[in-house]
Amino acid sequence: FMLTQPHSVSESPGKTVTISCTGSSGNIASKYVQWYQQRPGSAPTTVIYEDDERPSGVPDRFSGSIDSSSNSAYLTISGLKTEDEADYYCQSYGNNNWVFGGGTKLTVL
Amino acid sequence: QVQLVESGGGVVRPGRSLRLSCAASGFTFSSFGMHWVRQAPGKGLEWVAVILFDGSNKYYSDSVKGRFTISRDNSKNMLYLQMNSPRPEDTATYYCAKDAGRRDWGQGTLVTVSS
Repeated sequence: FMLTQPHSVSESPGKTVTISCTGSSGNIASKYVQWYQQRPGSAPTTVIYEDDERPSGVPDRFSGSIDSSSNSAYLTISGLKTEDEADYYCQSYGNNNWVFGGGTKLTVL
Repeated sequence: QVQLVESGGGVVRPGRSLRLSCAASGFTFSSFGMHWVRQAPGKGLEWVAVILFDGSNKYYSDSVKGRFTISRDNSKNMLYLQMNSPRPEDTATYYCAKDAGRRDWGQGTLVTVSS
């Protein structure tokens, strides 16, 4: 089981961007998906967990969703700020293990 | 709040051993599965191993199976990763992470395998 993300996306401040995470097999909706933000030189932090839950302290500009028809999870960031520039990783579950997408570099320019 | 603090990283020669530790606080450690995840320089995240809440089951990635051992001490709120016979390709920052809920992560500890 693999998760595929676009290598990079870019958008302007104030706009909305959506990052996809597509499962290679099975039904992505059957297991929770998490999204992690990683700024250069820092550890990953959770911005979305269990498909669409937002940890306290994460702005409501961040949202997660699942689309079974495309077997994909999506991370949407609205009202983009320069501080959102980072790498974003999706994560779900294989057989007793975590599976990560390859990561998407978000550039806000 | 949840806090995970890794330690034990450093430079290790190929074939020697190293033990990483992760000190947990702010949650009921004995109730949650725990993972090790690593990130090679300039690369993405790679899952390494998981141990269930009571230590009854452990699972490993194919890349470390037979060389690394995950363990925990619930009386001390500690997670460990014993790295035996490390290889240069094991060079990475190693993170511990809590399963379930918001999936909290530690700050990581850097392991460099080099002669």
